[in-house]
Amino acid sequence: DAGITQSPRHKVTETGTPVTLRCHQTENHRYMYWYRQDPGHGLRLIHYSYGVKDTDKGEVSDGYSVSRSKTEDFLLTLESATSSQTSVYFCAISESNGGAFFGQGTRLTVV
Amino acid sequence: SQQGEEDPQALSIQEGENATMNCSYKTSINNLQWYRQNSGRGLVHLILIRSNEREKHSGRLRVTLDTSKKSSSLLITASRAADTASYFCATDVEGAQKLVFGQGTRLTINP
Repeated sequence: DAGITQSPRHKVTETGTPVTLRCHQTENHRYMYWYRQDPGHGLRLIHYSYGVKDTDKGEVSDGYSVSRSKTEDFLLTLESATSSQTSVYFCAISESNGGAFFGQGTRLTVV
Repeated sequence: SQQGEEDPQALSIQEGENATMNCSYKTSINNLQWYRQNSGRGLVHLILIRSNEREKHSGRLRVTLDTSKKSSSLLITASRAADTASYFCATDVEGAQKLVFGQGTRLTINP
């Protein structure tokens, strides 16, 4: 299995609080992605990175920010969590023209 | 809106039958990929077909790609109960290096 880990695996947080999810890889892959998965919507791209300090928005980026200060870490921050951000979050890594490897997911509940 | 749209949304067949899932997309691509997701787990990469390829095989999987129609199909032959899962297509969008997923097809194999 590709070396990709997400932390935490589960989190419950209160509305209005900031939350940071971490994705860590040991594969030295260039590209990293954050997705959210909700029933009826499949996977939707939040943000992605194509190198250290190089990031771009996906289709559902509002309310989220990311940072990539090292090749191996890609952080997703919910600046002020809302109930609509309750979801399962997946991180993925890939190289150019290659398949992606996914983490096990983080289940986030905003109450 | 999402790049890839899968059809059907759900498919139920008998063990041993073939399963076909279709994917349509909207923009130019570098490649198209298919993934499987078992309930509660991360996605697993199955097969990748490049934009200049028309057909690709891997074991019991056969993927076709028609770039003129912006569509792809995934055929699973001689299905098994263990093939029960959700299947997603993903497009590596040309010029953007982002991987965009469809909503998925839920496949159920009945023993």
